[in-house]
Amino acid sequence: KAGVTQTPRYLIKTRGQQVTLSCSPISGHRSVSWYQQTPGQGLQFLFEYFSETQRNKGNFPGRFSGRQFSNSRSEMNVSTLELGDSALYLCASSLAGAHTDTQYFGPGTRLTVL
Amino acid sequence: DQQVKQNSPSLSVQEGRISILNCDYTNSMFDYFLWYKKYPAEGPTFLISISSIKDKNEDGRFTVFLNKSAKHLSLHIVPSQPGDSAVYFCAASAAGNTGKLIFGQGTTLQVKP
Repeated sequence: KAGVTQTPRYLIKTRGQQVTLSCSPISGHRSVSWYQQTPGQGLQFLFEYFSETQRNKGNFPGRFSGRQFSNSRSEMNVSTLELGDSALYLCASSLAGAHTDTQYFGPGTRLTVL
Repeated sequence: DQQVKQNSPSLSVQEGRISILNCDYTNSMFDYFLWYKKYPAEGPTFLISISSIKDKNEDGRFTVFLNKSAKHLSLHIVPSQPGDSAVYFCAASAAGNTGKLIFGQGTTLQVKP
């Protein structure tokens, strides 16, 4: 079974631009969670989607948004990019997002904001 | 406020010996815990998990111990192998908090041949 895939793997943007990242979950998984990893803050939860609905949200500004499609694929969008948004963005999929469901991570998208 | 803490940023052990990685948590609502391993330029890989109704879970060379009263868990790797060299993250989840894991800062393990 194929793992979680994320595209693109690397991205360079300038301040003020917006960016869209994509995540394809493991086949059969309906929950997708997004995380931001930075050297200072570690791995932090952004949001979780299930059946095209955002069910849970972390403590990030409204510039960070996402959506999920009927095939469970998910995208996250960051608008008006800031230097501090430079990070590794990871998505993870699980069967249903229950707190005891194991989350499996993709390789991440490395975003650099100049 | 860091709810999951890994107080040792790094650990170095000799090949064949035991590696013990520690994790503390503060939120008593956490009842499910996971360990992930991460290599550079890759996403975290799931290793092992434990529910709060247990105090030990084993999977091959990996054993996780949970001490609920101390709000402490540890990951034992026996025997350690050079390929185990990576960053190890402890994560916790709570009922009702769908799809959300709270991670520790990670411990870099180096296994020397």
